[in-house]
Amino acid sequence: GESVGLHLPTLSVQEGDNSIINCAYSNSASDYFIWYKQESGKGPQFIIDIRSNMDKRQGQRVTVLLNKTVKHLSLQIAATQPGDSAVYFCAEKGSGGYNKLIFGAGTRLAVHP
Amino acid sequence: DVKVTQSSRYLVKRTGEKVFLECVQDMDHENMFWYRQDPGLGLRLIYFSYDVKMKEKGDIPEGYSVSREKKERFSLILESASTNQTSMYLCASRSQNQPQHFGDGTRLSIL
Repeated sequence: GESVGLHLPTLSVQEGDNSIINCAYSNSASDYFIWYKQESGKGPQFIIDIRSNMDKRQGQRVTVLLNKTVKHLSLQIAATQPGDSAVYFCAEKGSGGYNKLIFGAGTRLAVHP
Repeated sequence: DVKVTQSSRYLVKRTGEKVFLECVQDMDHENMFWYRQDPGLGLRLIYFSYDVKMKEKGDIPEGYSVSREKKERFSLILESASTNQTSMYLCASRSQNQPQHFGDGTRLSIL
């Protein structure tokens, strides 16, 4: 089975509630950030990205917020569904450019009916 | 949709064997990547390639090599497999100024 999430923090939510997944990044000079979703047995799937000239970006049921002052990124999922259950990673563009992303360890989102 | 295909979902090999992991993408992307994913450590970059026959070391290249003879294909090679190379291996690709898209991974066990 999938073992990538053995030691991850877990966020448990009720179906229909809003979810907020947080991520602290390390480099104040980072100017590009991405959120990925990884379901059990699958590779990471791109959700949404944001550049540092923005504070907020919205997609379909998802919103990413960027607070550069405290180096904090969050992913908000509206009306969480069972299909949203997965591990969520943030990634920042490191000093090596777009080809050398720095990935967070991830947060497991568990959606309960 | 971008399609990144890894040739094997599960692979079991023995210590000392030479192991090849294959990855193919169908979107004519210039950049391709190999990562390994271990519990609690996140994704770690092994190697990447920004063009045919070009390669760059990532954060953990030791014990690995890569080959990119064609634009669509990027191979990861374990020259002499060891048990500490048991892991999930993920391939990704991207075009300029676009996010990376991942395959579904190869779970490699070295016995």
